[in-house]
Amino acid sequence: GAGVSQTPSNKVTEKGKYVELRCDPISGHTALYWYRQSLGQGPEFLIYFQGTGAADDSGLPNDRFFAVRPEGSVSTLKIQRTERGDSAVYLCASSPGTGFTDTQYFGPGTRLTVL
Amino acid sequence: DQQVKQNSPSLSVQEGRISILNCDYTNSMFDYFLWYKKYPAEGPTFLISISSIKDKNEDGRFTVFLNKSAKHLSLHIVPSQPGDSAVYFCAASANFNKFYFGSGTKLNVKP
Repeated sequence: GAGVSQTPSNKVTEKGKYVELRCDPISGHTALYWYRQSLGQGPEFLIYFQGTGAADDSGLPNDRFFAVRPEGSVSTLKIQRTERGDSAVYLCASSPGTGFTDTQYFGPGTRLTVL
Repeated sequence: DQQVKQNSPSLSVQEGRISILNCDYTNSMFDYFLWYKKYPAEGPTFLISISSIKDKNEDGRFTVFLNKSAKHLSLHIVPSQPGDSAVYFCAASANFNKFYFGSGTKLNVKP
């Protein structure tokens, strides 16, 4: 079956611009996570959705970052007034949401470059 | 403040031998630990997990050991195969909502 997909695969933008990154989770998965991975580092938690609601957004670095999941499936990570330090690979993962030890399935990521 | 640390950025092992990847954590509230494998241009793939009520979990060639008193876990791969060459991340969670990842260890298995 189809895995987690993320679009675009690459995004180059200029400092100060607004960007949207999209995540299509595995069909039927109610749990969705966003992570950010900088060069040489592991994934850094940003936000966790259970259904349509953000159950934990404690990883969002500041109010320039926002994520939505209006219908409980596709999610969009929105970054306003981008800064060069936002350059990273943004990873999305989904899991069935049926149990605490569900496996997270990751997408390939979106590489964001802020010039 | 990095709560999960992988202090070895790389490891090189001969095919057929054992690979041991290490991970340390600082938060005593962590009670669920995972290992992920990552190939270039792909997202991480789940490998194996362990809860804090156990000290060992095996799945085929992969075994994870947890030492709670030392706040240390390790992944053993026996025997190592060239296809195991990848970056390995350990991760930990205290509430199953938020997962903390280490910085990764790049394993190279030489034929």
